[in-house]
Amino acid sequence: DTEVTQTPKHLVMGMTNKKSLKCEQHMGHRAMYWYKQKAKKPPELMFVYSYEKLSINESVPSRFSPECPNSSLLNLHLHALQPEDSALYLCASSQDGQGFVSGNTIYFGEGSWLTVV
Amino acid sequence: DQQVKQNSPSLSVQEGRISILNCDYTNSMFDYFLWYKKYPAEGPTFLISISSIKDKNEDGRFTVFLNKSAKHLSLHIVPSQPGDSAVYFCAASGYNTDKLIFGTGTRLQVFP
Repeated sequence: DTEVTQTPKHLVMGMTNKKSLKCEQHMGHRAMYWYKQKAKKPPELMFVYSYEKLSINESVPSRFSPECPNSSLLNLHLHALQPEDSALYLCASSQDGQGFVSGNTIYFGEGSWLTVV
Repeated sequence: DQQVKQNSPSLSVQEGRISILNCDYTNSMFDYFLWYKKYPAEGPTFLISISSIKDKNEDGRFTVFLNKSAKHLSLHIVPSQPGDSAVYFCAASGYNTDKLIFGTGTRLQVFP
């Protein structure tokens, strides 16, 4: 089972709303990621959690707040977003936080389409 | 600064023929490379990877070639099938880092 599940699939929110994106995996992976993808652009890394600790934050604005409650769950809390934050938000996981040379692979969820109005 | 580049935004190939997707990178510290396939409204799906200590890796219809001196890799799909029509991203990573840098993607269309 190589499944990463994201909810909701679609979210429309106003600029003053607070919402959350959720991600779950049951592969026993210890690294989880949030990526953002705009139309016709490659996925861009936002955050990495390794063993439930934030290991990489790619200078993401504080209106995006990640949370890793346990090794299977990853949330992205959204507050006071801007219309330009509208994008596909991809969650991913990999076996551990030791890079990819040992044969690790990132497995992606289907993404959450976010529209900020 | 785009460290991983796919200079062909699109490619059209006839069914049964070979598809060759190219990727160039600028960072000599990258030592692991992956190819992902993405259908519309879905997340990227892992296809094949290669470590910098190799120059070729094969998995069924998919083969990835790495030319370190040219900082170039390519994905060969043979024979191409209509179901291969998707956007293909190459991605690169350095040693012992979880940071995966994606290329800009190539849209492959395989026609009958």
